[in-house]
Amino acid sequence: GDSVTQMEGPVTLSEEAFLTINCTYTATGYPSLFWYVQYPGEGLQLLLKATKADDKGSNKGFEATYRKETTSFHLEKGSVQVSDSAVYFCALSDPGGTASKLTFGTGTRLQVTL
Amino acid sequence: DTEVTQTPKHLVMGMTNKKSLKCEQHMGHRAMYWYKQKAKKPPELMFVYSYEKLSINESVPSRFSPECPNSSLLNLHLHALQPEDSALYLCASSALGQGYNEQFFGPGTRLTVL
Repeated sequence: GDSVTQMEGPVTLSEEAFLTINCTYTATGYPSLFWYVQYPGEGLQLLLKATKADDKGSNKGFEATYRKETTSFHLEKGSVQVSDSAVYFCALSDPGGTASKLTFGTGTRLQVTL
Repeated sequence: DTEVTQTPKHLVMGMTNKKSLKCEQHMGHRAMYWYKQKAKKPPELMFVYSYEKLSINESVPSRFSPECPNSSLLNLHLHALQPEDSALYLCASSALGQGYNEQFFGPGTRLTVL
């Protein structure tokens, strides 16, 4: 079945540092890929998405590129802020027109300090 | 309106109680989802409704009973729960159609079963 593997956390960075959170996936076909963020005590927010190979999703300074050859969708940000501290989930779903489940990675906790 | 709302925000119930969680969206989405999230874990899919019909039930115990009265509302009826059912319950919605499969989440209901 489909699966998503994320790097183990927590990741601790100083403010303005460069962020990379690795995500690789296993799936049949051509899934859609997502990054969701969950701030403490809240639900999940869609951060960015990509639906086909070489697509780059971007939002709020975060970027991720759909790499089919390496089955990866790594999340990057050039300069993190304390407000970026949260848990980040990589996820995939069937790209078809029907309702389908999101397959999540285990989540990576990011802690940004001053 | 681009949000999913959930009520109540917090719920404490005994093992003999009956309660309901409510979810609402006004984005015109025709797919709605219930997820359960335990601490430090990714969300786990429970149920999916597509065009107001139950399309996926991930082998959830019958003490959880979903209902979709119309295209904007989703309920989760709870009865005779166990302490291990304590978790954050997340509702999500999505459009249906090729390339429109991102799910939008509500803030969740934090449930405690005593």
